[in-house]
Amino acid sequence: DAGITQSPRHKVTETGTPVTLRCHQTENHRYMYWYRQDPGHGLRLIHYSYGVKDTDKGEVSDGYSVSRSKTEDFLLTLESATSSQTSVYFCATRGKVDEKLFFGSGTQLSVL
Amino acid sequence: GQSLEQPSEVTAVEGAIVQINCTYQTSGFYGLSWYQQHDGGAPTFLSYNALDGLEETGRFSSFLSRSDSYGYLLLQELQMKDSASYFCAVGPDSWGKLQFGAGTQVVVTP
Repeated sequence: DAGITQSPRHKVTETGTPVTLRCHQTENHRYMYWYRQDPGHGLRLIHYSYGVKDTDKGEVSDGYSVSRSKTEDFLLTLESATSSQTSVYFCATRGKVDEKLFFGSGTQLSVL
Repeated sequence: GQSLEQPSEVTAVEGAIVQINCTYQTSGFYGLSWYQQHDGGAPTFLSYNALDGLEETGRFSSFLSRSDSYGYLLLQELQMKDSASYFCAVGPDSWGKLQFGAGTQVVVTP
């Protein structure tokens, strides 16, 4: 399995505060993704990256930004957290010629 | 844009066969994948179909018909451990993007 570490695993924060979630991989995979998972909605793509400093928006990108300054790390930032951003966040990676995604263990974020 | 539809829940008994259908509408098609997720866990890859036809991996098989924009995952000889959510996904596209369906919860009863 790909070495993907998400941190923190759990976080409780207050509305209006900034939050950064980190995804770290040791597989040298080119592609990295941030998804959020909510009941009834499955996995929805927030942002993804197809290389260092190369990122693009997914279907639910409003209120989120990302950065990828090196291959191993993909950061997801909520500039000003809202209660609607309470969710489970999954990071995933994929190799250049592979169709398979490898997922991290997820981050449970609660915005009060 | 892209959209995927799959049933929300399927219930079956141990030893039975379950078919989870997935229909999609995409501006460009690159392949259909299936993922399994147990409660509290992360999704894990099951299968990928880029071409029409059936792919078999043990008790699980996946089928694709590009002309019908349709695929399915077939779970045979159901076991209690197969109780999980199953997601279909289209992609990756030329930029690497994959989009998932809302998922089907499979409940296996004794």
